[in-house]
Amino acid sequence: DVKVTQSSRYLVKRTGEKVFLECVQDMDHENMFWYRQDPGLGLRLIYFSYDVKMKEKGDIPEGYSVSREKKERFSLILESASTNQTSMYLCASTQVGGSSYNEQFFGPGTRLTVL
Amino acid sequence: DQQVKQNSPSLSVQEGRISILNCDYTNSMFDYFLWYKKYPAEGPTFLISISSIKDKNEDGRFTVFLNKSAKHLSLHIVPSQPGDSAVYFCAASRYQTGANNLFFGTGTRLTVIP
Repeated sequence: DVKVTQSSRYLVKRTGEKVFLECVQDMDHENMFWYRQDPGLGLRLIYFSYDVKMKEKGDIPEGYSVSREKKERFSLILESASTNQTSMYLCASTQVGGSSYNEQFFGPGTRLTVL
Repeated sequence: DQQVKQNSPSLSVQEGRISILNCDYTNSMFDYFLWYKKYPAEGPTFLISISSIKDKNEDGRFTVFLNKSAKHLSLHIVPSQPGDSAVYFCAASRYQTGANNLFFGTGTRLTVIP
C-alpha cells in the first residue's frame, strides 16, 4: 500500500512566522507535489518536484518555497506566513511514467491556520 | 485561469438512483482525465480514469464518459449509495517539465439520501 504521510494534521501559526510542512512517501516515487485546497477553488498546485533537488513552480508559488533533499521527502516552506495562506495543504506523489493512469497518491492533508 | 471546471458545487440524489457529475475543460493538450473522491479530513483518493483516445471507461458502479469535441466528461454512479457521499474532483493530466501534472476542478459535493 502506498503511504504518503504529512507531519501535522492541524497547525496554528502567527503572521510572520516561518512554517515548515513535511511530506514523506514510502513508494520510491520520483514525483512529488504540494497543493492547497480552498472552498470554491479546488486543488491548486503550488510546487512540484520530479527528482531530488529539482523543483518547478506550479500555478500559485508566490509566498512559498520547497525543498527536496531526499527522494522520499518533500517540504513546503512558508517564509513569512500570512493570513491568506490559511488553507488545507495536500501533498501527493506519483511514479514517473509508471502508471498509465497518472494516479497521484495523496496524504491526509494539513489544515493550517495563520492568525 | 481555471482549465478544468465543475459548474455544479453540489448534487443530491436518492439512494439507488443515478448520480451524474459533470466536468468541462478548455485545454486540448490534456491526455488523461481522472476522478478523485474526497471525504472530510482525508486526502483525495483515485476513483476512475479515462484516456483521451477512449470515450468510455467502466469500473463496477462507476462509468466515466468523455466527449472530446465538446471538451466534456461526466461520471455516472449507478446505483448511488450513502457511502458515495463525498466531494468529487475532476482532474486532467498533461506532461509538463518531468512530471504528469494534474489540473483539478473545483469539486462537486455529492449527497446520497437514504
